[in-house]
Amino acid sequence: DTAVSQTPKYLVTQMGNDKSIKCEQNLGHDTMYWYKQDSKKFLKIMFSYNNKELIINETVPNRFSPKSPDKAHLNLHINSLELGDSAVYFCASSQDNSNEQFFGPGTRLTVL
Amino acid sequence: RKEVEQDPGPFNVPEGATVAFNCTYSNSASQSFFWYRQDCRKEPKLLMSVYSSGNEDGRFTAQLNRASQYISLLIRDSKLSDSATYLCVVIRTDAGGTSYGKLTFGQGTILTVHP
Repeated sequence: DTAVSQTPKYLVTQMGNDKSIKCEQNLGHDTMYWYKQDSKKFLKIMFSYNNKELIINETVPNRFSPKSPDKAHLNLHINSLELGDSAVYFCASSQDNSNEQFFGPGTRLTVL
Repeated sequence: RKEVEQDPGPFNVPEGATVAFNCTYSNSASQSFFWYRQDCRKEPKLLMSVYSSGNEDGRFTAQLNRASQYISLLIRDSKLSDSATYLCVVIRTDAGGTSYGKLTFGQGTILTVHP
C-alpha cells in the first residue's frame, strides 16, 4: 500500500564506496524528486525528474547520479562516498510541478 | 540571507494553548506556499497550502502577506499529537513562470506540546 517507498532504510558504509538508493512510487505521478536532509535538519532539493527527464539539477557533486528507468522509479547512485554525504535522503513524487509532494520514509546514510 | 527563514524555536506549550509560527521568504517570485509537518525521524507531510486570502483547516489557520513576504501558521487548542517540526515551504517560478516543483524549505520550527 505504501505510496512512495525507498530502500534501504538504513545504509552504513565506508568512505570511498559506491552505493545506490532506490525509490518507487505507486501513485501514478509524473514527477519525482530527491532531497537531502543534513544534520541541521535542512531539507534541500537535489534532483527532479518529470516523465524520466531530468528537470532540476541543483549544485550537487557529480558523484551523485540519478537514474529514472521509468516514471515510477527514481534511483540515486553515489560514487566515492565522503563523510559529508552522511544525511537522510528523501525521495518524493507529485502529480505535477505545483501539486503536493508525497515523501518516502527516507534513507539514513552514514559514511564512516 | 536564507531564502526561507523561520524561528527554529523550540516552542514548548501546554495542551490547549494557542501557538503561532512565522516565516519570511526573500524571493518575491515565490508563488506557492505550504506548511509541512515532520515528526521525529519521519518524512515531511503536507499540513496545508497557504492561500492569499488566508485559509483554515480545523484548528489550523494559515495566512500569507505578499507585501511583507510573510507567512504564518496558527494552531489553536494544541494537542499532544501536534508535537512536531513545522516546515515553511515556498515554490518560486523562474522568469518564464515555470516552477519545476522546486520546494524550498525553511529550517523548521520545533513544537512540543506538554500535558
